[in-house]
This record gives sequence, structure tokens and C-alpha cells, in this order.
Amino acid sequence: GAVVSQHPSWVICKSGTSVKIECRSLDFQATTMFWYRQFPKQSLMLMATSNEGSKATYEQGVEKDKFLINHASLTLSTLTVTSAHPEDSSFYICSASGGQGTYEQYFGPGTRLTVT
Amino acid sequence: AQKITQTQPGMFVQEKEAVTLDCTYDTSDQSYGLFWYKQPSSGEMIFLIYQGSYDEQNATEGRYSLNFQKARKSANLVISASQLGDSAMYFCAMREGIGNFNKFYFGSGTKLNVKP
Repeated sequence: GAVVSQHPSWVICKSGTSVKIECRSLDFQATTMFWYRQFPKQSLMLMATSNEGSKATYEQGVEKDKFLINHASLTLSTLTVTSAHPEDSSFYICSASGGQGTYEQYFGPGTRLTVT
Repeated sequence: AQKITQTQPGMFVQEKEAVTLDCTYDTSDQSYGLFWYKQPSSGEMIFLIYQGSYDEQNATEGRYSLNFQKARKSANLVISASQLGDSAMYFCAMREGIGNFNKFYFGSGTKLNVKP
């Protein structure tokens, strides 16, 4: 199956700083990437959908200026959490679509963010 | 209305027995895909099985089968011969249409515990 990587796998940052999470499709071209957020013992919550070369589409209630998403190439999307606060601590997962099957999405392993 | 409903927050099953995880969905689209994912404590999302809305036969993948009842809008996951390694969260998901940009809807998940 298609492989999606995320970096870093975990990160601790201080309140007020920004942190960037990378999502890469390693062996296929991802025309669309999705960014999810997951709190403990809860389901995945879609934050935004990004298509290569265009602006991301954010879900209702997600702050565009706080969660900056860039999908500059067919293999890389980045999520930047700006001016992070403790309430931004969460598990962030990306997924990519556009591989062998048009219906499938391939998940990255996730990034655990802790803001102190 | 919820697009995906999983009514079992937690389930227990004895090792080597079969277990059914329930999932109902809501859509007015004719073309859609239904998915099941496993999420162990490590956080990675593992794709288990897929059922397309036009597929007439129930999908099977090894010990996993999907009991697809279109008229009832249900897509239950059946795990046969449960193993200790099956203990995890299980999410049902749906994608309306097959375009790469179409987002996924996830259920709230079912925590499965396999007892030795």
C-alpha cells in the first residue's frame, strides 16, 4: 500500500511558539491531503482539506490563522500551529488521497503535540 | 444528523470468538464508500476493509468481513477468531463520491477488548 510519513512523531513546545508538522506521501502523488485532530478517546475531527497548489478548505470552527496549511507539492503538505497554547495539545494526523485507488486515503502515523 | 453512527463505545470478546461491531450511515448519495479502520494505542490508523456502494457482495479481508445491508444503511464489521492483538479502537468511516477531494466522515469509534 501507499506510504505516508509525518514528521515529527512527537513535539513539545512552549506556549506562544509555533510548530510545523510535515506530511509526505512517499510513493505516490497526493492530490489531496487531509488534516485531522484527535483528542484522547475521541474520534478524528477533520480540520481541513488541502489540494496541491490551492488554498486549504477549513472545516467550520477551525481557525485558519492559527492552523496554517500549505500543500506546495504533490508529496508534501505542512500544518503550522501558530502561537500554540496548551489547549492545542493533541494528536494530529494527516492522510493523503490520490494513490492507487481513488476511494482510499492513506494515513500518516500521527504527531503528538504537547504545549507547555 | 450524524453521517456515521457507532453505538457501541466498548465491546468485550473472548479470544478466538467472533465479534460484530456496528455501524450505520446516513447519505443521500448513490455513490459512496464505507471503510473500517483499526487504531491501536500507538495511534496509527490501519485500514481494514472497504465496501463500495455498488458492490453487491460483502467485502472480506482475511478475518475481517463487512456485513453490508444497503437498505438498512448498515455496514457492520465482523472479526472472526479474535486475537489479543485485535484489542484497539475501531472506526467506521464513509466517503461520499469517489473524487479525491471528497472528505471522510468518521464514527465515534468502538473500543474492542479481547480477553484471553
